[in-house]
Amino acid sequence: SQTIHQWPATLVQPVGSPLSLECTVEGTSNPNLYWYRQAAGRGLQLLFYSVGIGQISSEVPQNLSASRPQDRQFILSSKKLLLSDSGFYLCAWSVRVGAHEQYFGPGTRLTVT
Amino acid sequence: QQQVKQSPQSLIVQKGGISIINCAYENTAFDYFPWYQQFPGKGPALLIAIRPDVSEKKEGRFTISFNKSAKQFSLHIMDSQPGDSATYFCAVFNAGGTSYGKLTFGQGTILTVHP
Repeated sequence: SQTIHQWPATLVQPVGSPLSLECTVEGTSNPNLYWYRQAAGRGLQLLFYSVGIGQISSEVPQNLSASRPQDRQFILSSKKLLLSDSGFYLCAWSVRVGAHEQYFGPGTRLTVT
Repeated sequence: QQQVKQSPQSLIVQKGGISIINCAYENTAFDYFPWYQQFPGKGPALLIAIRPDVSEKKEGRFTISFNKSAKQFSLHIMDSQPGDSATYFCAVFNAGGTSYGKLTFGQGTILTVHP
C-alpha cells in the first residue's frame, strides 16, 4: 500500500531563517507530487506541483521554492521566512494521468515568529 | 480568481439530522467534482466524487447532487453523526488533457454534529 510521510510535524522558526520541509511517498512510482498551504480558517492553496524528477511548476509567486531530487521525494524550501509563511503545509500525491484523487500527508504546522 | 464558492462557512447539526453543504463553480471545463473531508490536525481525504455527466451519486450516508446548468453541486450527509464533525472541502478537477490534474478547492465548511 502507498504511504506518504512529511516531516517535521511542527516547526517554529524566526523571521528571516531558512526552511526545508520534506515529503516522501512509498509504494508507488512516478507519482504527481503537490505542495499546498492551508492558512487558518481558509482553504487549500496549491503552491507547487511536479510531474517528474526535476520538473517543478509554481502556482503562486512567493519566496518559497520546491525541488524533486528523487522520484518520490519532494522538498519545500525558503531562504528567508516571512511572517506570512506561517500555516499548515500539506504534501500530496496522485497517480500520473489526470487523477482527481489526491492523497495527502499528515502535514507540517509552521509558525514563523 | 475564485473558481469555487462554498457555503456555509460553518454548520451545526443535531445527531441524526441532515447536513447540506453547497458549492458553485465558474467554469464549465471541469472533469470531476470531489468532496474532501479533513479532521483537525490531519490532511484532507477524498470522501466522494462525481463526474459532470451524472446528476447524483450516493455512497452510504453521503450523497452528491450535481446541477450542471446551474453550475452547482452539493454534499448531503444523512443521519449525521458526531464522528462526521470535520471540515469539508468541495473541489473542481481539471484533467487538462495532460499528465497533470489540478484540483481547486473551496474555502471549506466546518461541520459540527451535536450528540
